[in-house]
Amino acid sequence: DQQVKQNSPSLSVQEGRISILNCDYTNSMFDYFLWYKKYPAEGPTFLISISSIKDKNEDGRFTVFLNKSAKHLSLHIVPSQPGDSAVYFCAASDNFNKFYFGSGTKLNVKP
Amino acid sequence: DTAVSQTPKYLVTQMGNDKSIKCEQNLGHDTMYWYKQDSKKFLKIMFSYNNKELIINETVPNRFSPKSPDKAHLNLHINSLELGDSAVYFCASSPWNRDNYGYTFGSGTRLTVV
Repeated sequence: DQQVKQNSPSLSVQEGRISILNCDYTNSMFDYFLWYKKYPAEGPTFLISISSIKDKNEDGRFTVFLNKSAKHLSLHIVPSQPGDSAVYFCAASDNFNKFYFGSGTKLNVKP
Repeated sequence: DTAVSQTPKYLVTQMGNDKSIKCEQNLGHDTMYWYKQDSKKFLKIMFSYNNKELIINETVPNRFSPKSPDKAHLNLHINSLELGDSAVYFCASSPWNRDNYGYTFGSGTRLTVV
């Protein structure tokens, strides 16, 4: 049973608009969350993280929101750029040496 | 310089063979991992080593054996390969302190067993 789910396999957004990628989890013990970005034929690269003591973390165009009561996190990219087109994975952990990954959302930013 | 490098990138082999995938990191990280990306694109942890010591060993067939000669290397040896072993295998490393930058992944090794 997957403890981290990304229910949208793909998302298409116009350049300059906001991209919102969603992630749900089932384990209430998870206390650390990360987003990864993956280009074809490359490994995932770390993007942004958030611990459960916060509900928002911002880094440039990227903001992650955490709603613990809903067991939901989201990644906002504003403004979206064509170079943001990639697969985005969310991951969660209750033991920082072991992370559970979602299946990814493929983002396409159209020029 | 590549931070986490895996070799080979592609590996096609016959059932029953024994093969190894190598991983090296030059980030000075203490912890290294092997992940398997399954057919549904989920990344599942297989093994984790911290300073050459095995700390996570998920339910993985005994045919898979990790080896860490030093903290910069974590190799994966697979005996008697089966069709179901076909997948992309990712190596990763991280600092022991998780408040750092999270994981750094290698680019993956696509294993095809025929």
